[in-house]
Amino acid sequence: EAGVAQSPRYKIIEKRQSVAFWCNPISGHATLYWYQQILGQGPKLLIQFQNNGVVDDSQLPKDRFSAERLKGVDSTLKIQPAKLEDSAVYLCASSLGGGGARPQHFGDGTRLSIL
Amino acid sequence: AQSVTQLDSQVPVFEEAPVELRCNYSSSVSVYLFWYVQYPNQGLQLLLKYLSGSTLVESINGFEAEFNKSQTSFHLRKPSVHISDTAEYFCAVSGSGSNYKLTFGKGTLLTVNP
Repeated sequence: EAGVAQSPRYKIIEKRQSVAFWCNPISGHATLYWYQQILGQGPKLLIQFQNNGVVDDSQLPKDRFSAERLKGVDSTLKIQPAKLEDSAVYLCASSLGGGGARPQHFGDGTRLSIL
Repeated sequence: AQSVTQLDSQVPVFEEAPVELRCNYSSSVSVYLFWYVQYPNQGLQLLLKYLSGSTLVESINGFEAEFNKSQTSFHLRKPSVHISDTAEYFCAVSGSGSNYKLTFGKGTLLTVNP
């Protein structure tokens, strides 16, 4: 089966600019996650979707980050305006369901550098 | 709240030597435990998982981990490592019900030297 697809792989922008990332989950996976992975740390959950509804966005900085999942399939994550501390790898993952026992499948991520 | 502690940030070993990557967790409910591996410039790949049943779980490439409830540990072991095992390894915990979120440790960089 095709894995989780993300684009772009790399992005360099200046602070205060905006940026968007795209994710296409594994076919049939109802649950989609966006994680932020800062260098030297484990991934931190930003937002979780079940189909096209938000399950958890408690750690999403809503003043600058937004995410949507159109028609319960693809998803986009946007940052506007970007800050230096947003430099990180943004990982998208998907799973069949949202329960804790469901393994998550990750894409290769987008590496964001803020100048 | 759940948490994961990976006791070693870096583990250098020689090829064909045994290795153990340590992971301890904290949780007030029943847990599900995972090890993920991340190769350079790639996403995380599931290495193995403990959901229930046998406390010893194995991966297809020779890694194994043992769930120890009394010590709240889930250490990862391999009896003989290869150069290709060089990667970052993440331990993660989730739970049932409202504790479904996957919480990761900070990772252990395993470097296998010739």
